[in-house]
Parts: sequence; structure tokens; C-alpha cells
Amino acid sequence: AQSVTQPDIHITVSEGASLELRCNYSYGATPYLFWYVQSPGQGLQLLLKYFSGDTLVQGIKGFEAEFKRSQSSFNLRKPSVHWSDAAEYFCADSGGGADGLTFGKGTHLIIQP
Amino acid sequence: NAGVTQTPKFRILKIGQSMTLQCTQDMNHNYMYWYRQDPGMGLKLIYYSVGAGITDKGEVPNGYNVSRSTTEDFPLRLELAAPSQTSVYFCASSYSGTGELFFGEGSRLTVL
Repeated sequence: AQSVTQPDIHITVSEGASLELRCNYSYGATPYLFWYVQSPGQGLQLLLKYFSGDTLVQGIKGFEAEFKRSQSSFNLRKPSVHWSDAAEYFCADSGGGADGLTFGKGTHLIIQP
Repeated sequence: NAGVTQTPKFRILKIGQSMTLQCTQDMNHNYMYWYRQDPGMGLKLIYYSVGAGITDKGEVPNGYNVSRSTTEDFPLRLELAAPSQTSVYFCASSYSGTGELFFGEGSRLTVL
């Protein structure tokens, strides 16, 4: 079964600074990878996804992620964060199966003024 | 466009009580899922369904039951509620099993 690791529980970034959230997956076949964002008291919203093709994928709200098979990573980046980006971020992998997504434990993003 | 709708949003149960969390989607998705979210633990799959009449267990099914009589509805039943079932529950649906999941806003359940 696939597993997803998000090494950072909390990340604090100053407003306007760049951001990188780490995600590592472990599954033999080509992964189907996702990043979701959850604002307080809300459900999860898809930021971006990777199935195949170009390893740099663009998402909503100015986010992008790069798939690196050699490092089993799918890190999320944003060049300049805004206070409204403060939220919980989840990386997930479907492994190509129909039994839903396997989620990482999440990274809580704090934005400093 | 309602998407995935969950009710109730909040509920407090006493130990041993039973209840049903309702989930309905209006996107004609075949795939539906129930997750629970606990602090620092991410989301864990409870049950899922690949179509009406078909359900299967996820990672943490004990203490829960589901049914899928229609494409739109996927209720989650808690029998004999226990404090360990205090959590936030999310229902989600998907057009294809490998694709994007659309989530409801969640149901916060407290068992005392």
C-alpha cells in the first residue's frame, strides 16, 4: 500500500517570502499525486495534481509542484505567500486504485506579518 | 451547484448512542468516500463505494457501517458511539477512482 510523508508538521513563513512544502511518496508504480489545502473549519480544496507528463505542474492560487521520481518527492512551492495562504496543506496519493487517496499527516502553514 | 453536502455539521453524542451522518452529492459521481480527520493524523479512509450497491472497507472501518442505495447518497452509521469516534468526518466523491476528490465541509462529532 502506498504511504505519504510530510516531514514538516509546522512551517512559519513571512508574508511575501517564498514557500516550499515537502512531500515524499512510496509506491512502486507511477503515483497519482495531489496537493489539497484546508482552511480552518472547511473541507479540502484541490490545489493541483500530477498523473503523468510534465513534471512541473501549475495549480490554483499561484501554487506549483514538481514531481521528482529519483527523490520520490512532490514538493509544493509558491514564490510569494500571502496572509490568506495560512492553512493546513495535505499531500495525497491514489496509487492508481479506486480505493481513495492516502493522505500525509499535513503541514500547518503560519504566515508572519 | 451544491457539490457534496454533509449533515449535520455538529453533533454531540453520549456513549452508546447511535447516529447517521448524511452525505449527498449532485455531480453524478460513482465513487464516494468517508474519511475521518484527527489532529496531527491527516485523513484516514473509513469506507468507500464504487457505485450504487457496492461498498468496501477502508483503513479504519470498525464501529461504522455504510450503505449505498443510490448514486447520490452515502450515509455513514455509527453504532454504539465511543469516545474514540470523536472526530471530524468528511465525505467525498469522485468521477473516477484515481482522480480528484470533491469534499464536503465536514461533520464534527463529539462523543461524551
